[in-house]
Amino acid sequence: SYELTQPPSVSVSPGQTATITCSGDELGDKYACWFQQKPGQSPVLVIHQNGNRPSGIPERFSGSNSGNTATLTISGTQPMDEANYYCQAWDRSTAIFGGGTKLTVL
Amino acid sequence: EVQLVESGGALVQPGRSLRLSCAASGFTFSSAWMNWVRQAPGKGLEWVGRIRSKTDGGTADYGAPVKGRFTISRDDSKNMLYLQMNSLKSEDTAVYYCTTLDSDYGSLDYWGQGTLVTVSS
Repeated sequence: SYELTQPPSVSVSPGQTATITCSGDELGDKYACWFQQKPGQSPVLVIHQNGNRPSGIPERFSGSNSGNTATLTISGTQPMDEANYYCQAWDRSTAIFGGGTKLTVL
Repeated sequence: EVQLVESGGALVQPGRSLRLSCAASGFTFSSAWMNWVRQAPGKGLEWVGRIRSKTDGGTADYGAPVKGRFTISRDDSKNMLYLQMNSLKSEDTAVYYCTTLDSDYGSLDYWGQGTLVTVSS
């Protein structure tokens, strides 16, 4: 079955750039999405169609997808960005989620 | 404003059944594809299944762990989405989220607040 692999944790200093990767076989041939989830809250879509931001999502969030890796980039990371981030793609008729990455801003 | 409100979560014994509901508003529900996603305590997100709009056939797809036990349905006259869960197992314990689903690009655009299902004797 298809799998998406994320690093369990990423740390970044405030104001710096955070990069979270998501790896899967020929992932670049699919559309990747990214979700942000803060403790006790529902996930929020922050990137869809590889690199598009929904309305209301700050410009510091960007995404790309090529080859076997999708990447979520947060430029000028703020303390409020500390959260779990999940990538997601579809394989045939099944939605696949990555295991999640805990982003720590310190 | 899109709103999705799940209900029906409860403590239930293994082997029993439970039906979850999701009340939708703020968009044309009858045209929307809809989705269920769950999250076990302290764990990541897991896809449960999706249902197409009636215009697109109204059929459903399911994740392997729930296929044959869970059924997704919809009532467009009431703007309601349902998840019928049968033969529940302890590993079905999770918060269950209702989401919208973009039928063109597959993005899960809006999420409800979730409802907790606990399967335990």
